[in-house]
Amino acid sequence: KNEVEQSPQNLTAQEGEFITINCSYSVGISALHWLQQHPGGGIVSLFMLSSGKKKHGRLIATINIQEKHSSLHITASHPRDSAVYICAVGNQFYFGTGTSLTVIP
Amino acid sequence: DTAVSQTPKYLVTQMGNDKSIKCEQNLGHDTMYWYKQDSKKFLKIMFSYNNKELIINETVPNRFSPKSPDKAHLNLHINSLELGDSAVYFCASSWRRRQLGELFFGEGSRLTVL
Repeated sequence: KNEVEQSPQNLTAQEGEFITINCSYSVGISALHWLQQHPGGGIVSLFMLSSGKKKHGRLIATINIQEKHSSLHITASHPRDSAVYICAVGNQFYFGTGTSLTVIP
Repeated sequence: DTAVSQTPKYLVTQMGNDKSIKCEQNLGHDTMYWYKQDSKKFLKIMFSYNNKELIINETVPNRFSPKSPDKAHLNLHINSLELGDSAVYFCASSWRRRQLGELFFGEGSRLTVL
């Protein structure tokens, strides 16, 4: 069993829809990271959080340390949001399997 | 200036060869990492290197060896390449100290073993 589980694995949405991606983990952590990998392959860090909630533009990330769960929300989704979103936790960075998001115009 | 740079971006080689991938970061971070992304796009930690402390993922074959000449560089050397080594290898860096900092990734190096 993977230390980090993400759901859903694949997600297709219409432009403008509100999107939620979930991440559950089983290891103790000091911080959780949300990453984005575009079709071109590059990986960028979206958020690093250890408690509560963070917001960057249309992206919101929340974490519940007691429940070992985090969510990534995208408001007013856009085709350029199409990418793989990856949750990572732990000192050695255990990764989730990723959520492949496609936003259709 | 690219924060984390890897070379080469593409590498095609024959089974049994030895190859290296170089990584450099200009962010002043104290920790660097190597990750392998397989054909199913799953990322897995291979090594982390922090102030001369090397932490190795025990599932990594000893044909893989990281070499860090200084804090800004962590190169990956692979001996006796096998077909299963074909993957994209990502270098990354961050601050560790008391709490993990944001991860910065290189663009990846796609290795194809024929």
